[in-house]
Amino acid sequence: AQTVTQSQPEMSVQEAETVTLSCTYDTSESDYYLFWYKQPPSRQMILVIRQEAYKQQNATENRFSVNFQKAAKSFSLKISDSQLGDAAMYFCAYRIKAAGNKLTFGGGTRVLVKP
Amino acid sequence: SAVISQKPSRDICQRGTSLTIQCQVDSQVTMMFWYRQQPGQSLTLIATANQGSEATYESGFVIDKFPISRPNLTFSTLTVSNMSPEDSSIYLCSVAGSPRGETQYFGPGTRLLVL
Repeated sequence: AQTVTQSQPEMSVQEAETVTLSCTYDTSESDYYLFWYKQPPSRQMILVIRQEAYKQQNATENRFSVNFQKAAKSFSLKISDSQLGDAAMYFCAYRIKAAGNKLTFGGGTRVLVKP
Repeated sequence: SAVISQKPSRDICQRGTSLTIQCQVDSQVTMMFWYRQQPGQSLTLIATANQGSEATYESGFVIDKFPISRPNLTFSTLTVSNMSPEDSSIYLCSVAGSPRGETQYFGPGTRLLVL
């Protein structure tokens, strides 16, 4: 079965500091997309960042960046200069191009930001 | 990204009844999806809502329990039928703007509690 694993149920970070969330996945496919979504208490799922598997360059979006290691099937998210508004559940997900449009999600990591 | 709204935002229902959730998008989109997020859990795809044809259901989900309509490219409904307390979840619709559906954007969700 194709799975996504987020091994950290909860992470705590001091405001302005950096936190890294881990994500590993398991697939035999070579062509896929990887995503990080944020779900604040309002429960709206917000796209944080996206990575295409055939691109070696790591994606970045302002304070958010990823470390994509395709051989290791690892896709970690780094949040720099953490802000109080970053507090949320973060979900890692992938979509296999050959498998249609289904998103497979990890179990999530709760990020707490201390002022 | 498209602006997605859902109605109702939350509801409390009695077991044995049915609830229809609406998803409205402010622009035409190719793909629409329905997800379930059980309490404290990650998201699971229920089905892909196809315009003009029957929805495509994922393993473990059936049309009799979760009938879906998609009359046009901006609107879809999900009905949760003959509800039981196990159906208490957040139900989210998502959309993908392109036929390839690289990225999905989510609505705010409907929080359902079944007593």
